[in-house]
Amino acid sequence: DTAVSQTPKYLVTQMGNDKSIKCEQNLGHDTMYWYKQDSKKFLKIMFSYNNKELIINETVPNRFSPKSPDKAHLNLHINSLELGDSAVYFCASSQDLAGQETQYFGPGTRLLVL
Amino acid sequence: SQQGEEDPQALSIQEGENATMNCSYKTSINNLQWYRQNSGRGLVHLILIRSNEREKHSGRLRVTLDTSKKSSSLLITASRAADTASYFCATKNSGNTPLVFGKGTRLSVIA
Repeated sequence: DTAVSQTPKYLVTQMGNDKSIKCEQNLGHDTMYWYKQDSKKFLKIMFSYNNKELIINETVPNRFSPKSPDKAHLNLHINSLELGDSAVYFCASSQDLAGQETQYFGPGTRLLVL
Repeated sequence: SQQGEEDPQALSIQEGENATMNCSYKTSINNLQWYRQNSGRGLVHLILIRSNEREKHSGRLRVTLDTSKKSSSLLITASRAADTASYFCATKNSGNTPLVFGKGTRLSVIA
């Protein structure tokens, strides 16, 4: 069973389009995250949610809007895609609110904006 | 910035040799974590070491933490080709601050 799953795995789209990435975790964790990994492998937190509430928003453009319908799901919607949005986006989850413990990562969604 | 910095950026060794990767950070931490990322995959947690701990072991992995020098090391003993991956350290402050990742060390183990 996949602990943290993301769809789609690959996403190729034109500049200006709107797209969504979905994430689900079956670990019963309270906290979920979105990370962006650029071409140099640098991994940076974008958002974290705890029990459907936004906890961390790390100066991400307003074009990025996370949505958590329940604590097992955290989706990421991106409006007006730009070339610089091309990256790998990882969803993760952890048991605790403060993220003191292990984070479990999904397989990533490779986004290419043309 | 609290960001960890791994050293070296890339490391190539022969199978059976030991691999040592270092991580330095700038601010006080609650814990430090090491993750592995195989090519094209997500990150996998390896070890978490808390600020009051100095050393932890897990199988062939040994992690040390020196809070006075704000540094940590990851030692992989008797390396295998399957250990080829990128290794990241990540530091955690107290409270609702995010886990901050370094840029990683790319390890290549040659059979």
